[in-house]
Amino acid sequence: NAGVMQNPRHLVRRRGQEARLRCSPMKGHSHVYWYRQLPEEGLKFMVYLQKENIIDESGMPKERFSAEFPKEGPSILRIQQVVRGDSAAYFCASSPLDSGSNQPQHFGDGTRLSIL
Amino acid sequence: KQEVTQIPAALSVPEGENLVLNCSFTDSAIYNLQWFRQDPGKGLTSLLLIQSSQREQTSGRLNASLDKSSGRSTLYIAASQPGDSATYLCAVNSGGGADGLTFGKGTHLIIQP
Repeated sequence: NAGVMQNPRHLVRRRGQEARLRCSPMKGHSHVYWYRQLPEEGLKFMVYLQKENIIDESGMPKERFSAEFPKEGPSILRIQQVVRGDSAAYFCASSPLDSGSNQPQHFGDGTRLSIL
Repeated sequence: KQEVTQIPAALSVPEGENLVLNCSFTDSAIYNLQWFRQDPGKGLTSLLLIQSSQREQTSGRLNASLDKSSGRSTLYIAASQPGDSATYLCAVNSGGGADGLTFGKGTHLIIQP
């Protein structure tokens, strides 16, 4: 009964590099959500995906950020040409296949991204 | 746009006390409300989920209530213990095709031994 697995736990990048964050949902869950927690701020919703589909990306910055959840393998949050302001904790959550809106979201331990 | 506010931002109480954490939200058209606990450097642990049709949920020493019409929820912790020290987050699911949660900034709770 593994929970939501995120890796890496910590990621350091220099400005201009690319960051790739991975999330494996709980077994049987096909709904994945990404959130960002900036220092001294609350968690902010970024994107909601189901297998091979982006359902809602209203919280994603318009540039440099992208997300995918392929048929096989983990969900990936990709940040291109990182800047210092991207430094944050990025959390992934998942919910079950038959999720109505009354299924709890289960969170991973997050990836702490630091930009030098 | 949904906004969630948590009061107080921080709270420090002696062990054994009962305490109440408050959460308010601006748009009462919600699907559910979820309370989480976050320990330093860790992810979120789901504590309780209250559906919009429910008034309260209980788990052990925790009780969460929901007054949807007034846009408020409370988390009651009975007989607090030092292990309860953490940040408690309230999150609202407003549905409408977007199942992303809207979070408050949390209440940082310290239970003094």
